[in-house]
Amino acid sequence: AQSVAQPEDQVNVAEGNPLTVKCTYSVSGNPYLFWYVQYPNRGLQFLLKYITGDNLVKGSYGFEAEFNKSQTSFHLKKPSALVSDSALYFCAVRDTNAGKSTFGDGTTLTVKP
Amino acid sequence: DGGITQSPKYLFRKEGQNVTLSCEQNLNHDAMYWYRQDPGQGLRLIYYSQIVNDFQKGDIAEGYSVSREKKESFPLTVTSAQKNPTAFYLCASRNPALEFTGELFFGEGSRLTVL
Repeated sequence: AQSVAQPEDQVNVAEGNPLTVKCTYSVSGNPYLFWYVQYPNRGLQFLLKYITGDNLVKGSYGFEAEFNKSQTSFHLKKPSALVSDSALYFCAVRDTNAGKSTFGDGTTLTVKP
Repeated sequence: DGGITQSPKYLFRKEGQNVTLSCEQNLNHDAMYWYRQDPGQGLRLIYYSQIVNDFQKGDIAEGYSVSREKKESFPLTVTSAQKNPTAFYLCASRNPALEFTGELFFGEGSRLTVL
């Protein structure tokens, strides 16, 4: 079985400061890892993914994520947060042998001016 | 533009009534999914379909039914057997050419409220 944990329900940062949203995962095989963002009453939008190769993945809107196999983590980062980054963020994992994804419970990011 | 269209965006239902949520995609994706979202619980998979005329139960299929008669359409019926149907429902699709590495494309969601 595959699972994802997002240990923080809420992350608060000041505009211009770096942000980190944490994600750890568990899969039986090699993981495919994804980050999505959701704005209120909207669908999810894809940000970035790790499939293989370089552990640092760059995505949309200046976000990046670092895959750490030994710590089974895939934390989302941004060097300088914007107020417009405030949203709900989901980490998801898919086993290489699975056709379905498992999502974390989400982390609400609030960036204050 | 290509994308996924869900309708209606808001729906109210009386207890005991079945309701069908529409999901249409013009992305030419083979795989389609239905998720349920409740506050603080993330997304839970209801049903998914990898190909036309075939679908599989997800983690919370009880009280729901689906059909996949056309590649572009994957409607979800919330039946009266679903004990707590009030939720935000999300439809998604995935590019099969990328196998399991492909990201999901989501619709804008349908919010169902049972009165």
